[in-house]
Amino acid sequence: KAGVTQTPRYLIKTRGQQVTLSCSPISGHRSVSWYQQTPGQGLQFLFEYFSETQRNKGNFPGRFSGRQFSNSRSEMNVSTLELGDSALYLCASSLPTDSGNTIYFGEGSWLTVV
Amino acid sequence: AQKVTQAQTEISVVEKEDVTLDCVYETRDTTYYLFWYKQPPSGELVFLIRRNSFDEQNEISGRYSWNFQKSTSSFNFTITASQVVDSAVYFCALSENTGTASKLTFGTGTRLQVTL
Repeated sequence: KAGVTQTPRYLIKTRGQQVTLSCSPISGHRSVSWYQQTPGQGLQFLFEYFSETQRNKGNFPGRFSGRQFSNSRSEMNVSTLELGDSALYLCASSLPTDSGNTIYFGEGSWLTVV
Repeated sequence: AQKVTQAQTEISVVEKEDVTLDCVYETRDTTYYLFWYKQPPSGELVFLIRRNSFDEQNEISGRYSWNFQKSTSSFNFTITASQVVDSAVYFCALSENTGTASKLTFGTGTRLQVTL
């Protein structure tokens, strides 16, 4: 069973540009969530999508956005990149059940803003 | 608000030693879920275990064991006979029972270094 797939794995962008990251969840999983990991702030929740609807949102500025498609694949976008956006962006997928979720992560996308 | 504390920033052990990683959590919910993840240098967060708040049974899986104690709000993780391949950053995380939502609050992680 394929795991969570994230593309691209590594990318370098210039300040002011925008970036789109892609995530394919585990087959059958309908919930996709995104996290940002930095040395200073650790792992922080960005947002979660379920059935193409944003269900939860973390405390990030509006430059961070996302969406989910009908096949559960998700993308996140960061506009007007800042140096502080350099981070590992992790996507996670889960199969929500009434007894709770087991949340699986992808390998992440390493973003460097110069 | 939820909070997860991993007081140990870094632990160094020699191979074959046992090591325990501590995790203390705070939540107002009566139903919640606790997780442990392992993060090797590649970056992926590898799922290790999920424990429901209403299930305090301790669990052993191979060299791994977990001790969940609601009375002290702790969910500690022990590796028996550690190996070099266990070197990684380990994260404890908490998820409230918000229906079927998936949102984790992570601790700051414990870096485990196992040497020969």
